[in-house]
Amino acid sequence: GQNIDQPTEMTATEGAIVQINCTYQTSGFNGLFWYQQHAGEAPTFLSYNVLDGLEEKGRFSSFLSRSKGYSYLLLKELQMKDSASYLCAVRAATYGGSQGNLIFGKGTKLSVKP
Amino acid sequence: GAVVSQHPSWVICKSGTSVKIECRSLDFQATTMFWYRQFPKKSLMLMATSNEGSKATYEQGVEKDKFLINHASLTLSTLTVTSAHPEDSSFYICSARDPLGMNTEAFFGQGTRLTVV
Repeated sequence: GQNIDQPTEMTATEGAIVQINCTYQTSGFNGLFWYQQHAGEAPTFLSYNVLDGLEEKGRFSSFLSRSKGYSYLLLKELQMKDSASYLCAVRAATYGGSQGNLIFGKGTKLSVKP
Repeated sequence: GAVVSQHPSWVICKSGTSVKIECRSLDFQATTMFWYRQFPKKSLMLMATSNEGSKATYEQGVEKDKFLINHASLTLSTLTVTSAHPEDSSFYICSARDPLGMNTEAFFGQGTRLTVV
């Protein structure tokens, strides 16, 4: 079956660094995504990993280990506006060609405190 | 970047009526679009895959006669919630990916908050 696990909630302090972990077990793998979602809004794209290693984009970095079925999202220099849910999603084996759907984890609600 | 527009952003309807939600890809052609539902404090759950020019593919447990999907053009998919009931109240989101673009991520519409009273 398809299973994506991530912590339900996390709390961190403004200016600090936080790491959100994600483990997955899916039938096939065609990329892992991290999205940010504020309450009542649609998700917005943060990062994409398809090969092992670290992808850095400003204050956000994402790491992938395909052999371990593991990824993490690293947020640096936390700001209050970073308070949101962070969704880990996997594109499983190709579905309809290269446009496979995403399987989402339940999301990690991050609260950033002053 | 690619943009997906969803309309309406919120709707309140009476129990037993039908509601149509539109999802448009504004600057690319999407042969495939995805419809998700999200209950409060829960993750996005894929409902169905909308395929241009053919029938939608529904996930297990999703009633195709209740959630009608039409993908009549390369830029528009619609989801109609028929005979809506209060338990259908949820946040519905569509997404699409530009098959010709350099980006690999899926772009999401703004979402539609449906409340059935």
